[in-house]
Amino acid sequence: GQQVMQIPQYQHVQEGEDFTTYCNSSTTLSNIQWYKQRPGGHPVFLIQLVKSGEVKKQKRLTFQFGEAKKNSSLHITATQTTDVGTYFCAVYAYSGAGSYQLTFGKGTKLSVIP
Amino acid sequence: EAGVVQSPRYKIIEKKQPVAFWCNPISGHNTLYWYLQNLGQGPELLIRYENEEAVDDSQLPKDRFSAERLKGVDSTLKIQPAELGDSAVYLCASSLDHGGVLLFGPGTRLTVL
Repeated sequence: GQQVMQIPQYQHVQEGEDFTTYCNSSTTLSNIQWYKQRPGGHPVFLIQLVKSGEVKKQKRLTFQFGEAKKNSSLHITATQTTDVGTYFCAVYAYSGAGSYQLTFGKGTKLSVIP
Repeated sequence: EAGVVQSPRYKIIEKKQPVAFWCNPISGHNTLYWYLQNLGQGPELLIRYENEEAVDDSQLPKDRFSAERLKGVDSTLKIQPAELGDSAVYLCASSLDHGGVLLFGPGTRLTVL
């Protein structure tokens, strides 16, 4: 089935540095969602991108959908310790059972050194 | 409004024992999902319900896993018998309709000894 590759798998940054995670697909996506999971917590929805080249911002977070709708990125400006967690991209992919399911990438685990 | 509720939060059992997880989704959400999350991995879908109907259970190991969503609200996921490899976090999520945003519950962390 559909796979989305997320890179990097881990990222350690000094507090105040920027952070970017990338999500890549071999096929064109209808849309893409981003979730954040704090350590010991559950995934929490951040944003959904639908349009080619779309850019959305949430305070220090900037989300981008590629022009070809095959890749997406999440950029955090001036990281804070509250940004710690794992960031997942998720896409609706054909499950082979006649339906589509939300498929998650493996995530990028962000550590912020104070 | 309460979020997705799951119980228990933690469960430790010995292999070959049965175990059951319970989920109460957001009120009004028609679609309910059970996901499995192994350490360091993203969630993987086990089963999806549209109201009381299981519409995608292609990745549910049916020899030992079963699920139900009676009356299209609460859902239970059962494993019988549990194996060591079943140790993971079992996440329940719901959405208004399929294709939308998922709201996850806190999960049940299962340890099989």
